[in-house]
Amino acid sequence: QQQVKQSPQSLIVQKGGISIINCAYENTAFDYFPWYQQFPGKGPALLIAIRPDVSEKKEGRFTISFNKSAKQFSLHIMDSQPGDSATYFCAAKGNTPLVFGKGTRLSVIA
Amino acid sequence: NAGVMQNPRHLVRRRGQEARLRCSPVKGHSHVYWYRQLPEEGLKFMVYLQKENIIDESGMPKERFSAEFPKEGPSILRIQQVVRGDSAAYFCASSPGQVFEAFFGQGTRLTVV
Repeated sequence: QQQVKQSPQSLIVQKGGISIINCAYENTAFDYFPWYQQFPGKGPALLIAIRPDVSEKKEGRFTISFNKSAKQFSLHIMDSQPGDSATYFCAAKGNTPLVFGKGTRLSVIA
Repeated sequence: NAGVMQNPRHLVRRRGQEARLRCSPVKGHSHVYWYRQLPEEGLKFMVYLQKENIIDESGMPKERFSAEFPKEGPSILRIQQVVRGDSAAYFCASSPGQVFEAFFGQGTRLTVV
């Protein structure tokens, strides 16, 4: 039983384009939704996070959009750069430890 | 201002040996989480500990695996009688409380030969 479903599995974006990664969840008790970025051989690093009292949060080129009624949230990376090439994980938690999606491998090509 | 420190970074064990993975949380963090990551997979929760207490071990196999977070010293994830299927990256995360963001270490990559 996968509590957080993430798509797509992999994504190729041209430099300067917009990368969009989507996640859906089932557990309505979740109240914290972070995104993590992971480079090969490294640990996941917190990128940006949102709580369900807002529908959007922006930090630099990274934006989370949150749709509480649809139980979906997404990560948008504007002006994608080759340095953004990494694996991105969505996650969710309520009063339980973080539950992760399976990840999206993003490749930004010049 | 050290982050979460895990050691060793790489560990090779023969089948049947024991593996001990250590995690030193961020200074001041009293909550530790262990996750396992298989290639091309997300992170799977294993166990959540506070100082001297196991809070949630629902993701940890009942046999061969154990975890502790003593009053002094690092958290330890112990895998007894390792098998090839235990080969994975094991990540530790810490937070100052359950409702706060969790910060991850660089992981220990366990290879069972």
